[in-house]
Amino acid sequence: GAVVSQHPSRVICKSGTSVKIECRSLDFQATTMFWYRQFPKQSLMLMATSNEGSKATYEQGVEKDKFLINHASLTLSTLTVTSAHPEDSSFYICSARGLAGVDHNEQFFGPGTRLTVL
Amino acid sequence: GQSLEQPSEVTAVEGAIVQINCTYQTSGFYGLSWYQQHDGGAPTFLSYNALDGLEETGRFSSFLSRSDSYGYLLLQELQMKDSASYFCAVRDGGSGNTGKLIFGQGTTLQVKP
Repeated sequence: GAVVSQHPSRVICKSGTSVKIECRSLDFQATTMFWYRQFPKQSLMLMATSNEGSKATYEQGVEKDKFLINHASLTLSTLTVTSAHPEDSSFYICSARGLAGVDHNEQFFGPGTRLTVL
Repeated sequence: GQSLEQPSEVTAVEGAIVQINCTYQTSGFYGLSWYQQHDGGAPTFLSYNALDGLEETGRFSSFLSRSDSYGYLLLQELQMKDSASYFCAVRDGGSGNTGKLIFGQGTTLQVKP
């Protein structure tokens, strides 16, 4: 099956710093990537949808200026948490969907990034 | 608004059969998916129903009734490794590269010896 990787898997940072998380589709081209956030024992909450080469579409309540998303190529999307605060500590998961014809009914998930802000 | 309802917890014994129900209310509907997630891990795809009826994949089966906005995941011959969280998710957009997955709150399945 299709593989999606994320880096880093874990990150601890100080309050006020920025953290960049990378999401890569390793063996397919992902025209659409999704970023989710998951708090302990809770569901996956969609933060934004990004299409390669265009601006991300953010869900209601998600601050665009705080969570910067870039989808510069068909295999890479990045999420930057700017001026991170302890309440941003969470599990961030990316997901990728390939081109039509590559099992377009399925989203492939990355392994997630555990962010802890001190 | 959009909502998916599923039980928060289910407990069963090894070898048993368990059914996890999901009802949904979404603005668009282009299929119901099920995902498994172990603690600290990423969601893994289990099944997808676009049309009414039962889809079977090994020990797992999934059912959909669009008229009832209802589906379920059936796990047979439960094993200890099946202990995990199970999420139903609705795709609210069309085929191709539109739409997004909206997830339910998840059901924690505990399998006991």
